Amino acid sequence: QSALTQPASVSGSPGQSITISCTGTSSDVGFYNYVSWYQQHPAKAPKLMIYGVIDRPSGVSNRFSGSKSGNTASLTISGLQPEDEADYYCCSFTTSNTYVFGTGTKVTVL
Amino acid sequence: EVQLVESGGGLVQPGGSLGLSCAASGFIFSNYWMSWIRQAPGKGLEWVANINQDGGARSYVDSVKGRFSISRDNAKNSLYLHLNSLRAEDTAVYYCTTNTGDSWGQGTMVTVSS
Repeated sequence: QSALTQPASVSGSPGQSITISCTGTSSDVGFYNYVSWYQQHPAKAPKLMIYGVIDRPSGVSNRFSGSKSGNTASLTISGLQPEDEADYYCCSFTTSNTYVFGTGTKVTVL
Repeated sequence: EVQLVESGGGLVQPGGSLGLSCAASGFIFSNYWMSWIRQAPGKGLEWVANINQDGGARSYVDSVKGRFSISRDNAKNSLYLHLNSLRAEDTAVYYCTTNTGDSWGQGTMVTVSS
């Protein structure tokens, strides 16, 4: 049950697009289409941004999109805005019937 | 409006026990798998355990197996996590969530220290 691997930090200027990767194994990310992404602002509970690899919950901006190729999932934020500055975590269901989170990525809006 | 409210956190000595509760409202609690997720101070999220709708299926992260126990009472719309043999590394904010991840409580802090 090793954590999924994410870059520690990603930055971009307002209006730009950034992509956060989430690398797992054939026992988690690569096996199921059950990858979700969470946004967490300081001292706040996480917020679901993407589920089922590509689906957005109601109310989440369409600037957020998800994808997956093999054992790596990705979250893309288009038209970066100051309020997007936060920590982001991926999460995947595993073949052990458990879940595993990513190591987390700090997004900075320059 | 969906609400999840955790309680029961606090300071406990290593080797001690603690019981966390989560009161759910605003949705049909008995229809949902539920999870506990924790976050150590300054660290990332860690999935801890989940339980199915009738309590007959439970899963745990390896680091808490045999020490933590998840349960629920659908009549009381409540989720529980009993923590035994606590270690310093169990210090974290513990969140109650729907398994779908779209609803979270505000968290309750557990500190394991002598």
